Amino acid sequence: DTEVTQTPKHLVMGMTNKKSLKCEQHMGHRAMYWYKQKAKKPPELMFVYSYEKLSINESVPSRFSPECPNSSLLNLHLHALQPEDSALYLCASRPHSSGVTEAFFGQGTRLTVV
Amino acid sequence: AQTVTQSQPEMSVQEAETVTLSCTYDTSENNYYLFWYKQPPSRQMILVIRQEAYKQQNATENRFSVNFQKAAKSFSLKISDSQLGDTAMYFCAFMTSLIQGAQKLVFGQGTRLTINP
Repeated sequence: DTEVTQTPKHLVMGMTNKKSLKCEQHMGHRAMYWYKQKAKKPPELMFVYSYEKLSINESVPSRFSPECPNSSLLNLHLHALQPEDSALYLCASRPHSSGVTEAFFGQGTRLTVV
Repeated sequence: AQTVTQSQPEMSVQEAETVTLSCTYDTSENNYYLFWYKQPPSRQMILVIRQEAYKQQNATENRFSVNFQKAAKSFSLKISDSQLGDTAMYFCAFMTSLIQGAQKLVFGQGTRLTINP
């Protein structure tokens, strides 16, 4: 199983809503990533989890709250988002290794904030 | 901080032609890793090829090969015998060494490649 599964694939939410994005992998990877990607732009790193602990937060606003409940699951909780937060949110995982190991990406969640 | 630059926002070639995508990067590290990822309209980021900086030999994967020039900090991707299915956004990416216990994967701006029939 070399898949990273993200749900939902599409999400429309109001600015006062609370929603969550989910990412799951069963490859035993201990590094997991959240990226935000606007149209025709590269993915921008948001958070990195290493062994279920938050290692890197790229100064992301607190309306985005990540959570890693176990080694297979990564969530991104959303609250009070703005229309400019509309984007494709990508999850990725890779083995926690200093070697050359690529990141495996999910298909993303297309988020629209109205 | 590491930066990755792709100077070609868009490229277009005919099917079966060879095309080269450019990438340069900036880093003070000596050991690092470079990747080319492909993102078709389906949105899934797919690894095309990878290169370890300590290896002088250029990586090759079937029709895909790289020209890695470490001193020039250049990492170009060559696609031979291009196919319609190669149409996608291509991102050059740099993997940092451990920072705060994790490695960052940093992307260039991307090159939109269109293969025409």
